[in-house]
Amino acid sequence: DSGVTQTPKHLITATGQRVTLRCSPRSGDLSVYWYQQSLDQGLQFLIHYYNGEERAKGNILERFSAQQFPDLHSELNLSSLELGDSALYFCASSVVGATSSYTFGSGTRLTVV
Amino acid sequence: DQQVKQNSPSLSVQEGRISILNCDYTNSMFDYFLWYKKYPAEGPTFLISISSIKDKNEDGRFTVFLNKSAKHLSLHIVPSQPGDSAVYFCAAYDSTGTASKLTFGTGTRLQVTL
Repeated sequence: DSGVTQTPKHLITATGQRVTLRCSPRSGDLSVYWYQQSLDQGLQFLIHYYNGEERAKGNILERFSAQQFPDLHSELNLSSLELGDSALYFCASSVVGATSSYTFGSGTRLTVV
Repeated sequence: DQQVKQNSPSLSVQEGRISILNCDYTNSMFDYFLWYKKYPAEGPTFLISISSIKDKNEDGRFTVFLNKSAKHLSLHIVPSQPGDSAVYFCAAYDSTGTASKLTFGTGTRLQVTL
């Protein structure tokens, strides 16, 4: 157990729907990062939150949004889902940009049918 | 634009031999590099890192080499063990940038055979 909890582990939904992925960071970590891993692709950076504030955005689609709550958990909202959104979504946490302590959750596998 | 590249999608090595995984990068602002290991159904886990002020870092069976002029790094695993079979991701970081994010390569699947 890495200490980073992601729910649900698996999600199957239809095109056009909206889903919410949840991440609880490791205790004491203030930063949360979201990454997407599509088939045969590396981990693509989506967004970074630090202590409730958005710090950086990657190639995140406008249909996707995220937030970090006062208790530091984070949610990634994916709407108007398309088949191409099927992927593994990873959340990672760290203290403050301390990359060696970047700890990943086990991911949410999203399948859009 | 793939700033971190792992050109070998897979590698097969016999147990006890050396595994060499390669990674190239294009962004000269990257100054910190990491390797992560990923087993199926798990998230990536940190393995070893190296700062750009060094050209080698060793941790047990794992050694990372950095060649800044060639913008190339490699991970050596000696001796390779069956438990090392996993996907290995190279990642890079620009510590001077405002975004503290890691940029990952596409991964190399290592299989260590008996």
